Parts: sequence; structure tokens; C-alpha cells
Amino acid sequence: NAGVTQTPKFRVLKTGQSMTLLCAQDMNHEYMYWYRQDPGMGLRLIHYSVGEGTTAKGEVPDGYNVSRLKKQNFLLGLESAAPSQTSVYFCASSYGLITGELFFGEGSRLTVL
Amino acid sequence: DQQVKQNSPSLSVQEGRISILNCDYTNSMFDYFLWYKKYPAEGPTFLISISSIKDKNEDGRFTVFLNKSAKHLSLHIVPSQPGDSAVYFCAAMWPGGGADGLTFGKGTHLIIQP
Repeated sequence: NAGVTQTPKFRVLKTGQSMTLLCAQDMNHEYMYWYRQDPGMGLRLIHYSVGEGTTAKGEVPDGYNVSRLKKQNFLLGLESAAPSQTSVYFCASSYGLITGELFFGEGSRLTVL
Repeated sequence: DQQVKQNSPSLSVQEGRISILNCDYTNSMFDYFLWYKKYPAEGPTFLISISSIKDKNEDGRFTVFLNKSAKHLSLHIVPSQPGDSAVYFCAAMWPGGGADGLTFGKGTHLIIQP
């Protein structure tokens, strides 16, 4: 059982380039999330989805877009990467939010030069 | 404004002793609290949780205590083992908060020394 899988694991971009991070989950979860983790900042929610075809903004959505065309996939896009977006990105999923228990992927380390 | 605070960025404990990780919160609406554990190069994993109707929840070597009046919770690990070395995130949520209602602290890096 793969759980939550993120691709790519590592990526280096130049300022202004675009890219997409892919998250796939095989647990039939309704809810999916994208977080970023920065040193001394903990985990901050970028965008989330409560079901196929839905997306919503989290705490730090600026500079990112997301899509949830299929229930098992949640894509995070950077249209024009900036150095401030250098971070480790985590995708997570959950059945709902009754218990707050999220299942996280292994993370994607993005560096923007 | 930081609603969930972990004031100790790091904590070093000898193997076999008790590890106590602390977490404070400011939002009195929070009613469910969780601890996540994260190893380097891995995603966080759920460890233990507690509802506001309880003041203690135990799972093997891990116990979480909640003091609602002080808006404080703590995670106790007894005895501490080398595999417990990780970053621990405290998180809190409130009823009806929705999918964006989970708030994380900044984490405490626990180091278990042999």
C-alpha cells in the first residue's frame, strides 16, 4: 500500500520558471492538502480540497494554484517561481477532518535560484 | 498571530529517561489536539491525540496530558529510545473549523542521547 506519493522528490528551478508537483493517494480519501515547511515556521497550509473538483485557499496560497480533477490526485502548480518559494512541500490526505489525522507524503524539496 | 506554540526548538534527553515536550495554545475554541512525529526526509506521521473532554491519553510509551485552564498540553515519552529522535509537531483544531482548521506548532527537535 503506497499511501501518499509525491513527485518529484527534488527539483531546482530558476526564478520565473513554472512547475507542477503531483500528489497521488490510494486510500480513497476525500480530503487532500498541500503544506509547506520552512525552517522555524512549522507546517503551513497552502491549498486544500474537500473532494474531487473542489479546491480552497489555505493560510499561504499566494503564488500557487491547485487542481483536483481526479479524487486520487492533487496537483500543486507554481506559475512563476520565486526564491521565497524555496521550501519542502508536503501533500497529505484524510478521510475527513473529524479526528485531524492526516497521512503525509514524503515531501518534495524545491529550490528556486 | 501564532495560535499553537512550541517554545522549545530542541530538547536533548538521555536514553531511558523521560522526554517531555510542551505545547501552548491561545485559541480557547480548540477542542482536539494531536502530536505528529517527523523523521528527516520523511513526512510527518500521526502519533497520538486527545480530546478536550479528557485530560490524559496514553498509548504505550506515549502519554499526552491536557490542561485546559492553562491552555497547555504535553507529550511524555517513557522510556526514551534512540528511535524517538525526531521533530515533534503539536497541532490543534476546533469544531467546525473545516479542512483548514488544523493549526500546527513550529516543532520541537527531540534528540535522544545514548
